[in-house]
Amino acid sequence: NAGVTQTPKFRVLKTGQSMTLLCAQDMNHEYMYWYRQDPGMGLRLIHYSVGEGTTAKGEVPDGYNVSRLKKQNFLLGLESAAPSQTSVYFCASSQATAGGSYEQYFGPGTRLTVT
Amino acid sequence: ELKVEQNPLFLSMQEGKNYTIYCNYSTTSDRLYWYRQDPGKSLESLFVLLSNGAVKQEGRLMASLDTKARLSTLHITAAVHDLSATYFCAVDIWTEYGNKLVFGAGTILRVKS
Repeated sequence: NAGVTQTPKFRVLKTGQSMTLLCAQDMNHEYMYWYRQDPGMGLRLIHYSVGEGTTAKGEVPDGYNVSRLKKQNFLLGLESAAPSQTSVYFCASSQATAGGSYEQYFGPGTRLTVT
Repeated sequence: ELKVEQNPLFLSMQEGKNYTIYCNYSTTSDRLYWYRQDPGKSLESLFVLLSNGAVKQEGRLMASLDTKARLSTLHITAAVHDLSATYFCAVDIWTEYGNKLVFGAGTILRVKS
């Protein structure tokens, strides 16, 4: 199993350009999440999804959109990139266990620079 | 709004010493996770704590959860250089859309020989 994969690994955008980050998981997890990580701020939740076709806003959703058309994929879109969106983006997935855990499994990250 | 506070944010310690990282949170939850992150890498799960009084140990690390005090601790025993990393706690909460995690800012641990 590959676990959680992210595409691309690195990207440089100019201000105003658009792009889509792809997250894929092969664990049949219901829940998927997009975070951004900035120095000294931990991980902040952008959007999340509790199942195919269902998404919700996290702490920092402005400037981002998401879609979950297939259970295994969760897309993060930037319609008009801004320098403030320079960050490392992590995707994660989870599934309830019999013990009540919703432990999240993380992808390798995408490093995005907006100039 | 849930707040998760870790302290210290930076910890420099000598090999062989003991220390504790604290994670305080501001709302009711009985599920908390600890993750480790090496520079330039992703997050790796360390501990899953699912009830009041839960204690988990792996090697030189031990984590505990006190849901009444809204406090989790990560104790490091006889630190070694390989433990140098950033450690995050994350509190699991339910929303109308399902569960989500709220992360602390992270503790950067540097173990000096």
